Amino acid sequence: SAVISQKPSRDICQRGTSLTIQCQVDSQVTMMFWYRQQPGQSLTLIATANQGSEATYESGFVIDKFPISRPNLTFSTLTVSNMSPEDSSIYLCSVVTGARGRNEQFFGPGTRLTVL
Amino acid sequence: AQSVTQLGSHVSVSEGALVLLRCNYSSSVPPYLFWYVQYPNQGLQLLLKYTSAATLVKGINGFEAEFKKSETSFHLTKPSAHMRDAAEYFCAVRKNYGGSQGNLIFGKGTKLSVKP
Repeated sequence: SAVISQKPSRDICQRGTSLTIQCQVDSQVTMMFWYRQQPGQSLTLIATANQGSEATYESGFVIDKFPISRPNLTFSTLTVSNMSPEDSSIYLCSVVTGARGRNEQFFGPGTRLTVL
Repeated sequence: AQSVTQLGSHVSVSEGALVLLRCNYSSSVPPYLFWYVQYPNQGLQLLLKYTSAATLVKGINGFEAEFKKSETSFHLTKPSAHMRDAAEYFCAVRKNYGGSQGNLIFGKGTKLSVKP
């Protein structure tokens, strides 16, 4: 299993500013993922973050808006840049552990972001 | 392309009653299907998963789900609801069969309320 922590757990930010969310895992993992859960909506994958390479972004998400760092196998950051009220969401970090075919995906508690 | 549809954004049952949360999937390949639960202010927790083995999958907390290919369904059930089951439940399908791990597509979620 994997225990994931995120900082901050919640924040209220002003329009035009940026927020960096940290994700820490208690074990080394190859692939980490960032999801967004907008109010009343489902989870949407933002990007996949592999250590030592550029993050891979899903359609509709770009690096300039959501830069990601992955300095080692237990840590990642997601920055929400130049925020607007539409960025108000819960942002979740996720990892996959275990052997292929028997792997399991774990999620962090999320960071609840409100943009005024 | 894979997708999941959860019927009913909100389900309310009495304590001790049957819980039935519906999920239908669309997939051009044999799907990997998941149910996650999200308790208030917590991260997602895996309830159970279907990975082409037994069609009836038992999960944690007394939940189970049955994969029915003919109906393209993966409904979640529990014989007797408990107050602690009140949470939001998400059905998900793995996006790329045999491909990128952890690339889950989520349904919109169903909020389960349990009345005493």
